[in-house]
Amino acid sequence: DVVMTQSPLSLPVTLGQPASISCRSSQSLVYSDGNTYLNWFQQRPGQSPRRLIYKVSNRDSGVPDRFSGSGSGTDFTLKISRVEAEDVGVYYCMQGTHWPPITFGQGTRLEIK
Amino acid sequence: EVQLVQSGAEVKKPGESLRISCKSSGYSFTSYWISWVRQMPGKGLEWMGRINPSDSYTNYSPSFQGHVTISADKSISTAYLQWSRLKASDTAMYYCARLGSKDWGRGTLVTVSS
Repeated sequence: DVVMTQSPLSLPVTLGQPASISCRSSQSLVYSDGNTYLNWFQQRPGQSPRRLIYKVSNRDSGVPDRFSGSGSGTDFTLKISRVEAEDVGVYYCMQGTHWPPITFGQGTRLEIK
Repeated sequence: EVQLVQSGAEVKKPGESLRISCKSSGYSFTSYWISWVRQMPGKGLEWMGRINPSDSYTNYSPSFQGHVTISADKSISTAYLQWSRLKASDTAMYYCARLGSKDWGRGTLVTVSS
């Protein structure tokens, strides 16, 4: 199984400041079709997960442009340029390149300082 | 509008059977895999498996293979997650999702307690 390792696991951030979450995979996530199936999800308290980013850097519709994804191979990053109160929650990376199983990171809890 | 509408919360006893559902609308049901994802209380997301509704082909995580069954009825655009013998450790929120797209159900809370 591909292991997805996120850091940090807890991320206290001041409102208006940037935030960054790292996700590393135990093997390259480049698929045979040339795509890299690495997604980012946000789960607000009491809600279902919501996809923010797909295939490393593509923002889903309705996702604020303060969210961005980058990376390649085994090393990926989700950045929030200026954290807002509504960004509180847990963020997960997920790989869909090597399956089964599809695997998620452990989650990073973002809180406001 | 794409919707994945999940069945309501369940309270069961250990050893009982259960089937929960996920009804899809707003898109062609047979065109997208449906996954099931478990979230135990206070924990992260775990992929359990998925089904291709066009032919009911399934993939399972080794962690869940043999303990749950995923099925689908394309005549009513509904996917299912089923247990034959529940354990207390099955207590969790279960989500259906189109992981290849951005759509998730609201989750079904399953509580297993004697």
